[in-house]
Amino acid sequence: GQQLNQSPQSMFIQEGEDVSMNCTSSSIFNTWLWYKQDPGEGPVLLIALYKAGELTSNGRLTAQFGITRKDSFLNISASIPSDVGIYFCAGAMNRDDKIIFGKGTRLHILP
Amino acid sequence: GAVVSQHPSRVICKSGTSVKIECRSLDFQATTMFWYRQFPKQSLMLMATSNEGSKATYEQGVEKDKFLINHASLTLSTLTVTSAHPEDSSFYICSARLTHTDTQYFGPGTRLTVL
Repeated sequence: GQQLNQSPQSMFIQEGEDVSMNCTSSSIFNTWLWYKQDPGEGPVLLIALYKAGELTSNGRLTAQFGITRKDSFLNISASIPSDVGIYFCAGAMNRDDKIIFGKGTRLHILP
Repeated sequence: GAVVSQHPSRVICKSGTSVKIECRSLDFQATTMFWYRQFPKQSLMLMATSNEGSKATYEQGVEKDKFLINHASLTLSTLTVTSAHPEDSSFYICSARLTHTDTQYFGPGTRLTVL
């Protein structure tokens, strides 16, 4: 079946550093989504990508849909304390398909 | 836009009782909603896909008689955990898909504790 490998599993960084995380799949996806989840809350959509090669920004966040359609990355520039949380990638093969979630990247910011 | 609400946010119940969780899309219509379960420090596990006006589609291993889903309108889906047991304690999250897209917007989740 379809699988999403998300890495790293967790990150410990200093405030102000840039962050990069990625997702790879065993299958081609036609949609990539990036979500952030705070403790005790539902995931919040950060960026949606619909075309191979697409590069999209949302403030300090930038995500790209890989050319091969089997990967995507998310970058966060100049991290701040409120960036702490779990970031999930998710993908869908076709419109109206259920989406597959990665296992998440837990971001910690050191004081 | 694209706001999804869930009610209640927390519920504590006795073993053997049934609990209903509501999921509403507040500012858009959603022909399809999804119910997920999330254990601590784990990813979201899809339980079922809820389609307005038709029967829900359950994922393998999810008991449809245990987790009753009703999607009676384009803005409301409900999940009823019947005869709840302590092992049903979890964080239940719904999402609503914006029509004609793959994008899902999530509710804030419901923490269920079964004593």
